[in-house]
Amino acid sequence: DTAVSQTPKYLVTQMGNDKSIKCEQNLGHDTMYWYKQDSKKFLKIMFSYNNKELIINETVPNRFSPKSPDKAHLNLHINSLELGDSAVYFCASSAPAVGNEQFFGPGTRLTVL
Amino acid sequence: AQSVTQLGSHVSVSEGALVLLRCNYSSSVPPYLFWYVQYPNQGLQLLLKYTSAATLVKGINGFEAEFKKSETSFHLTKPSAHMSDAAEYFCAVQNQAGTALIFGKGTTLSVSS
Repeated sequence: DTAVSQTPKYLVTQMGNDKSIKCEQNLGHDTMYWYKQDSKKFLKIMFSYNNKELIINETVPNRFSPKSPDKAHLNLHINSLELGDSAVYFCASSAPAVGNEQFFGPGTRLTVL
Repeated sequence: AQSVTQLGSHVSVSEGALVLLRCNYSSSVPPYLFWYVQYPNQGLQLLLKYTSAATLVKGINGFEAEFKKSETSFHLTKPSAHMSDAAEYFCAVQNQAGTALIFGKGTTLSVSS
């Protein structure tokens, strides 16, 4: 059973397009996250959601909008894609208590041409 | 604010040799620290975590790490490297609110036969 899954695994698109990445977790966690890994493999938090409510939004352009239809899903919608958006995007989830580990999805490699 | 510094972006060892990956942290509060491993084209997998229970933490695949408050360090070690250990390793500290992980820049471990 996959704990945290993401679709698609690869996404190639043109500048200016709008795209979505889906994330689902079956761990029963209340908190979900989106991280961006750039070409130098640096990982940075983008969003954190607790029980469908946004609790952190780290200096992310408003072209990025997370949407959580229920606590098992946190999708990432990106408008007007730019070349600099090319990266690997990871979804993660955890129980909300401080110190709990985060479980990561396999990642979505986004390439903007 | 919390931060993590990983010394050495690339570490090369021979099979059977000691693995030492360095991580220093900065935190104004007692930290929660994590080591994750990322194999090529995969998500992140937790190796071990420190949550103040014990300073020497044992993880999966024979890895362990020691929390040293006086040195603000949380170095990862493994007595004998295997070829399968070749991967990217990330040290991370949980932010003060417990809402995100702050990652170091990663260390690439290469293992030669």
